[in-house]
Amino acid sequence: GQQVMQIPQYQHVQEGEDFTTYCNSSTTLSNIQWYKQRPGGHPVFLIQLVKSGEVKKQKRLTFQFGEAKKNSSLHITATQTTDVGTYFCAVPNAGNNRKLIWGLGTSLAVNP
Amino acid sequence: EAGVAQSPRYKIIEKRQSVAFWCNPISGHATLYWYQQILGQGPKLLIQFQNNGVVDDSQLPKDRFSAERLKGVDSTLKIQPAKLEDSAVYLCASSSPAGTGEQYFGPGTRLTVT
Repeated sequence: GQQVMQIPQYQHVQEGEDFTTYCNSSTTLSNIQWYKQRPGGHPVFLIQLVKSGEVKKQKRLTFQFGEAKKNSSLHITATQTTDVGTYFCAVPNAGNNRKLIWGLGTSLAVNP
Repeated sequence: EAGVAQSPRYKIIEKRQSVAFWCNPISGHATLYWYQQILGQGPKLLIQFQNNGVVDDSQLPKDRFSAERLKGVDSTLKIQPAKLEDSAVYLCASSSPAGTGEQYFGPGTRLTVT
């Protein structure tokens, strides 16, 4: 079945260091979405990538969609304690594009 | 605009009891989702509604879980009887028919079954 792999599962960084999480799909994707979930909170939509090779930036966050549309990455420059949380990628199900297949998430801890 | 509303925020019940959760999506959002999220895991879709019809309930444990969205607006999710392994956060989300599929989540209901 359709799967999406996300690595790493956990990441501890010192404040000011960079952070990257990767998402890989077994199939070619129409789009990929990224969500952030703070501890004790709910997932919050960050961005959607649609085009092959697309790069989008939100302040210190850089999102990339691979050329083959099978992988994506989220990079945070100079992490801050407010970046703490779990970052999920989610991709549309091939048969029902309103249903998302979720990665297991990458939990980011930032030491001040 | 108002976000997705859920109640209650917390619930503690004993096993074999029943419980119900309520969700009111963002106004105009035709698609409504119920997810179960166990600590340390990603959201698991339980059921997806399009207006008042069920689109996907393939992962809903139908022997004990039920959900309805009778008027195509708010929705309830029920568990009867509850088991210890049902302890989780139950998240409701909605998406707009005009959007590109992004989902907007409510605060969730944290269920503890003892």
